[in-house]
Amino acid sequence: DTEVTQTPKHLVMGMTNKKSLKCEQHMGHRAMYWYKQKAKKPPELMFVYSYEKLSINESVPSRFSPECPNSSLLNLHLHALQPEDSALYLCASSQAGTENSNQPQHFGDGTRLSIL
Amino acid sequence: GEDVEQSLFLSVREGDSSVINCTYTDSSSTYLYWYKQEPGAGLQLLTYIFSNMDMKQDQRLTVLLNKKDKHLSLRIADTQTGDSAIYFCAERSPGGSYIPTFGRGTSLIVHP
Repeated sequence: DTEVTQTPKHLVMGMTNKKSLKCEQHMGHRAMYWYKQKAKKPPELMFVYSYEKLSINESVPSRFSPECPNSSLLNLHLHALQPEDSALYLCASSQAGTENSNQPQHFGDGTRLSIL
Repeated sequence: GEDVEQSLFLSVREGDSSVINCTYTDSSSTYLYWYKQEPGAGLQLLTYIFSNMDMKQDQRLTVLLNKKDKHLSLRIADTQTGDSAIYFCAERSPGGSYIPTFGRGTSLIVHP
């Protein structure tokens, strides 16, 4: 079992749909992350939130829109996605701040996204 | 920039030891992590080591760090079929960005 919970586990959507991915953690972590992972590849960082503020956006297309409504929740809103966006989307959390930079990230099990 | 290298595949017989290797280039790397990813799942943190340590042991897992050669290894004793997965090495440098850099992952295949 993972302490970072992601829903849904699987999502199939058309290119004109709007959907959201959700992530929740109750470990008191104040840094939360979205990663995209293609098969047999390492995760690629998309966004980082620190203390509920967006701190890193790795030049992600605007069809991906992150949101951090509170310290436990992280959403990823999807709109007008392309077939190449099909991937496993992973959420992670960790302690925030440079004094905690030794603390590891904890990952959820991901949402498997397929774009038709 | 940082670079983390791993071999892509390792095949071992059940009951043998597995050794997964990782090299990194950033000499200021202070924190090094091993993650396991089973099919259809996320990344599970297995263990981590700080650069002021040479070795860390946790049950069947032994991590060795050679700072001079910037080489990290993960040894799994008595490898079982349930250990079949992709293993990612990751490093993180102090200060600045606290985002880890991941290696490409090593696929461990355990056969009877």
